Amino acid sequence: RKEVEQDPGPFNVPEGATVAFNCTYSNSASQSFFWYRQDCRKEPKLLMSVYSSGNEDGRFTAQLNRASQYISLLIRDSKLSDSATYLCVVNSGGGADGLTFGKGTHLIIQP
Amino acid sequence: NAGVTQTPKFQVLKTGQSMTLQCAQDMNHEYMSWYRQDPGMGLRLIHYSVGAGITDQGEVPNGYNVSRSTTEDFPLRLLSAAPSQTSVYFCASSYSLGASMFTGELFFGEGSRLTVL
Repeated sequence: RKEVEQDPGPFNVPEGATVAFNCTYSNSASQSFFWYRQDCRKEPKLLMSVYSSGNEDGRFTAQLNRASQYISLLIRDSKLSDSATYLCVVNSGGGADGLTFGKGTHLIIQP
Repeated sequence: NAGVTQTPKFQVLKTGQSMTLQCAQDMNHEYMSWYRQDPGMGLRLIHYSVGAGITDQGEVPNGYNVSRSTTEDFPLRLLSAAPSQTSVYFCASSYSLGASMFTGELFFGEGSRLTVL
């Protein structure tokens, strides 16, 4: 079984700080990569896709390193509302049924 | 916008009972799926459908049945509930089907919390 590994945390970070976490994947043939956000007792929602060249969306930056088979998520100037679980998702081919979800990294932003 | 609607939100069953989790979407998505989420584990795919009349098994299909008679609806049936099926169940849908078209965005329902005693 192809795996997606994440540090479960929790990461306790003061408000305003920068935090980064990684996700490693085992299937070198994986084609596309995503970060989802899941609030406590809520459904997951797409945060951002991860492109080979890296991409940025406001305070969030995602990077892909195919050679080392990991993706990363950087959050700058963290807000209390960033507290959530961040799910790493890898598509190993096929359509939406080819998604493998990591167990998630729990982030707690402290005032 | 309703999006993906799941019912019920909470359910308690006794071992051996059967039930159906309902899922409906109003976005005209071809792809629909069911996941379960357990503590310390990632979301795992149970069954999925790429269109009306077509269903297929995911990673953990045993003990569950599905059908897709319409584009909008994708119910999940537990035939004889077991304590191992205690979980949070999410229905999800998506615009596209193939690898070249999938945008990565699954739209999830709010989840159904099932406890089997």
